[in-house]
Amino acid sequence: KQEVTQIPAALSVPEGENLVLNCSFTDSAIYNLQWFRQDPGKGLTSLLLIQSSQREQTSGRLNASLDKSSGRSTLYIAASQPGDSATYLCATFRPGGYQKVTFGIGTKLQVIP
Amino acid sequence: DAGVIQSPRHEVTEMGQEVTLRCKPISGHDYLFWYRQTMMRGLELLIYFNNNVPIDDSGMPEDRFSAKMPNASFSTLKIQPSEPRDSAVYFCASSIDGPSGGNEQFFGPGTRLTVL
Repeated sequence: KQEVTQIPAALSVPEGENLVLNCSFTDSAIYNLQWFRQDPGKGLTSLLLIQSSQREQTSGRLNASLDKSSGRSTLYIAASQPGDSATYLCATFRPGGYQKVTFGIGTKLQVIP
Repeated sequence: DAGVIQSPRHEVTEMGQEVTLRCKPISGHDYLFWYRQTMMRGLELLIYFNNNVPIDDSGMPEDRFSAKMPNASFSTLKIQPSEPRDSAVYFCASSIDGPSGGNEQFFGPGTRLTVL
């Protein structure tokens, strides 16, 4: 059974700070890992997808890394802005059987102006 | 493209009633996913389709839940009879390829279901 854990559950930072969100998973046999953001009352928006053969992906101020052997991924947000305030979720995608897709509970981020 | 479209956005019903949630995936996406999100359990995959065919329904909680995809542009998730513990936000998502692929999933805005 895959378990995906995100730490911290909530984070409050001042605007402009660089920050790191953590995601850990128990089964390293994954196809890929995807980071999403969810705004209150809204659906999920895909941020970055890292395939199992990749180490990291970058998009603008976001950088996601993947270490399959240790079962960890991090999402780095540079120069945080109030508009980054949202809940960030990671999800693993695995072959076969139950729980092909497993989401973490998320990290709720608040960036204070 | 308008993205993944879901209807209704909100549904309030009484226990025992039938509920039907609807989804229109992004055109050209061969995969469609149904998820449920609750505070207690987070996001859970219920079922997904490839080219209108159900591939994995191991996440469907009970026989009261059923999903269909009669064509490439429409899917339904039905709960009959509904129970208060079914209250949740139900999301539909679509992608070009499946869980093993390298393409992102795109989510709809969700349907907030409340069963009284």
